[in-house]
Amino acid sequence: DAGVIQSPRHEVTEMGQEVTLRCKPISGHNSLFWYRQTMMRGLELLIYFNNNVPIDDSGMPEDRFSAKMPNASFSTLKIQPSEPRDSAVYFCASSLVTGEVFATNEKLFFGSGTQLSVL
Amino acid sequence: ILNVEQSPQSLHVQEGDSTNFTCSFPSSNFYALHWYRWETAKSPEALFVMTLNGDEKKKGRISATLNTKEGYSYLYIKGSQPEDSATYLCAPRGRGLISNFGNEKLTFGTGTRLTIIP
Repeated sequence: DAGVIQSPRHEVTEMGQEVTLRCKPISGHNSLFWYRQTMMRGLELLIYFNNNVPIDDSGMPEDRFSAKMPNASFSTLKIQPSEPRDSAVYFCASSLVTGEVFATNEKLFFGSGTQLSVL
Repeated sequence: ILNVEQSPQSLHVQEGDSTNFTCSFPSSNFYALHWYRWETAKSPEALFVMTLNGDEKKKGRISATLNTKEGYSYLYIKGSQPEDSATYLCAPRGRGLISNFGNEKLTFGTGTRLTIIP
């Protein structure tokens, strides 16, 4: 398996532009997470999906951020309009959540991240 | 689960020495505790997932223990090597309220940054 695949690896854009980050989770995984890494807050959860349904989006900073998971093999995180303070590394992670008996197997597998710079 | 504390924030250890650090979390509504290793310029990688009070996991020179009643976990590294230099993150996970699989979000601590001095 190729692991979690994120694209692009690097994105440089100007303030006000729309940015779309993409993620392909590991085949067979049923949970997908979007995290943002900043110096101030460390690894911050933005939103997570279970079986393609958003479960908790309380970490999404504001209405400029939106995430979708149209099917089990693809998710997007969109920022519109982008601002300089959105500059960060955005990670996508996936896992297989099977219930309490197998909880010790529910590790997160992270993608390589997208380095976003908003000028 | 929001109140995750890791200590110390950073640590410098001489090569060959053993070390340990702590993750503290609220003990109520506990489901699982994750440990991840994060090397600079890479992505976090899972070390352990523990669920039972008194659980102990080991992977080579790295081991972890869990106390769910008092809400803490220790990570131990025996005989530190330069390749152990990384940030070690813990992430507790609460029990979900909405479905069999809807466990609460995985919230990471800010980590312990470990530097091994050759």
